[in-house]
Amino acid sequence: RKEVEQDPGPFNVPEGATVAFNCTYSNSASQSFFWYRQDCRKEPKLLMSVYSSGNEDGRFTAQLNRASQYISLLIRDSKLSDSATYLCVVREGNYQLIWGAGTKLIIKP
Amino acid sequence: DAGVIQSPRHEVTEMGQEVTLRCKPISGHDYLFWYRQTMMRGLELLIYFNNNVPIDDSGMPEDRFSAKMPNASFSTLKIQPSEPRDSAVYFCASSYQETQYFGPGTRLLVL
Repeated sequence: RKEVEQDPGPFNVPEGATVAFNCTYSNSASQSFFWYRQDCRKEPKLLMSVYSSGNEDGRFTAQLNRASQYISLLIRDSKLSDSATYLCVVREGNYQLIWGAGTKLIIKP
Repeated sequence: DAGVIQSPRHEVTEMGQEVTLRCKPISGHDYLFWYRQTMMRGLELLIYFNNNVPIDDSGMPEDRFSAKMPNASFSTLKIQPSEPRDSAVYFCASSYQETQYFGPGTRLLVL
């Protein structure tokens, strides 16, 4: 079983729609959680950290459910520029990160 | 700040040749990570350093791979001899705390 699991997609979503991704992690002792974004043929970049109380950054909302060991990302009013692969990332100890395989999102005009 | 710098950006080589990938982390960052990304296996951590000291190299696939960090501003990942299955994008990332900042990657093709 993979330590961090994501639906690989692709999610094909019309522009303006709301889309949500989930990610599950296996280690209940995981300490920190993140969503990274990776554009085609580019490097991953931090999108947002995920806090226990949930957090919002503009059109993006991240939630953490420690009891069920999953993390979610919600994108509202999706834009063409949101098309990318979204990587779920978990920190278990020190500063080593465990990466999900990513969920590919395609926003259609 | 220039961000994490990697060179070369692209490398095409023949099986059996030595390949050296280079990375300059962001100044002040005390962690440096080497990753490999392929379609099949996703992003894999190969090795990481803290204050120039290798902490965990359990992700290094085999003895053909080696990494060094002689000082805080430079690291290398070497593959000798290279094989076609080493073809991938190799990323270097650095961090001060939790957020990792990635370089643009080196696209390696071994023929």
